[in-house]
Amino acid sequence: QQQVKQSPQSLIVQKGGISIINCAYENTAFDYFPWYQQFPGKGPALLIAIRPDVSEKKEGRFTISFNKSAKQFSLHIMDSQPGDSATYFCAAADNAGNMLTFGGGTRLMVKP
Amino acid sequence: EPEVTQTPSHQVTQMGQEVILRCVPISNHLYFYWYRQILGQKVEFLVSFYNNEISEKSEIFDDQFSVERPDGSNFTLKIRSTKLEDSAMYFCASRAKQETQYFGPGTRLLVL
Repeated sequence: QQQVKQSPQSLIVQKGGISIINCAYENTAFDYFPWYQQFPGKGPALLIAIRPDVSEKKEGRFTISFNKSAKQFSLHIMDSQPGDSATYFCAAADNAGNMLTFGGGTRLMVKP
Repeated sequence: EPEVTQTPSHQVTQMGQEVILRCVPISNHLYFYWYRQILGQKVEFLVSFYNNEISEKSEIFDDQFSVERPDGSNFTLKIRSTKLEDSAMYFCASRAKQETQYFGPGTRLLVL
């Protein structure tokens, strides 16, 4: 019940295209959903986060869409750039804001 | 911009030896975490620490593991008797009252 399932495992997108990564969760106690970006040899860095009281949040080229009834959320990267090439992790936490449960990660490659 | 720092960046040890991984969280943060990431796999929660005590721990965090905040700035993870399967990247994270956890660059531990 604590799992967060993420897909796809890897994604190749042309420069300027839209990258879409999906996550699904089971635990209805989760109420905080961040996305982290990780470059090789670095720690995960927070990209954008959402709470379930909104269905969408946009920050620049990054948008989270959230579907509470389906227990799914997704990251959209508009106008994808080669510098976006990294591993992306979705995560979830419960109301205590304590431990993060991570998805399996998506390795994104944006081709020039 | 303040950041979480970790030392050492790499650690090689023999099976059965004790290792101590060190972290300096962001100075005004109150909540501290350790996560690990086995090569190619997802980030997994180990333990959280608040007000000088463990607030939550995963099943990975068995009796071989311990955490300590020996002074006002450091946060350490000790593995008493390392096993081959402890080889992983270990990330420290910290947060203030809001949910955002900031991750350090990690310590890559290799147990031979």
